[in-house]
Amino acid sequence: NAGVTQTPKFQVLKTGQSMTLQCAQDMNHEYMSWYRQDPGMGLRLIHYSVGAGITDQGEVPNGYNVSRSTTEDFPLRLLSAAPSQTSVYFCASSYSESYEQYFGPGTRLTVT
Amino acid sequence: GENVEQHPSTLSVQEGDSAVIKCTYSDSASNYFPWYKQELGKRPQLIIDIRSNVGEKKDQRIAVTLNKTAKHFSLHITETQPEDSAVYFCAASIQGNNRLAFGKGNQVVVIP
Repeated sequence: NAGVTQTPKFQVLKTGQSMTLQCAQDMNHEYMSWYRQDPGMGLRLIHYSVGAGITDQGEVPNGYNVSRSTTEDFPLRLLSAAPSQTSVYFCASSYSESYEQYFGPGTRLTVT
Repeated sequence: GENVEQHPSTLSVQEGDSAVIKCTYSDSASNYFPWYKQELGKRPQLIIDIRSNVGEKKDQRIAVTLNKTAKHFSLHITETQPEDSAVYFCAASIQGNNRLAFGKGNQVVVIP
């Protein structure tokens, strides 16, 4: 199993550009989530999904969209990038919020 | 919403000594409490977890204790080694909301 994969590993965007961070898992997990990690702020939940077709907002959803058309994929879209979105983004999957979350390798995003 | 706090933010210990990190949570309905370890530049990985029907769990040099009445849980690392140097995150499940709330993390430095 590849586990949780994320692409790209690194990305530099200009303010106002849009892009999609990809996340996929091959463990048949229903629960998937996106976090951002900033120095001293821990892991903050952006959006999450409890199954295909179901998504919900986390703690810091503004400026991001998600969709879950399949169990395997959970892309994160930045609509109009801002410097405040410079961060490391982690995707995670699990059977539910009460089981081990498996994290992807992360995407380091810089917005100039 | 659930508020998870970790103390201390940074902990330095001599190699061979014990390290203890404490987390407090606010939602009395939380029933799952994991600890994740994140080495520099890597993804968070689960090292131990505990459910609310158990007071203590141990795995080799690592243990977690839970006090539901006081709403706190602690990570205990005995006989610390340099490879234990990392950031440790605690988390608590948010029942009814399918979420996992993370603390801001503790930097543990093991001094050889």
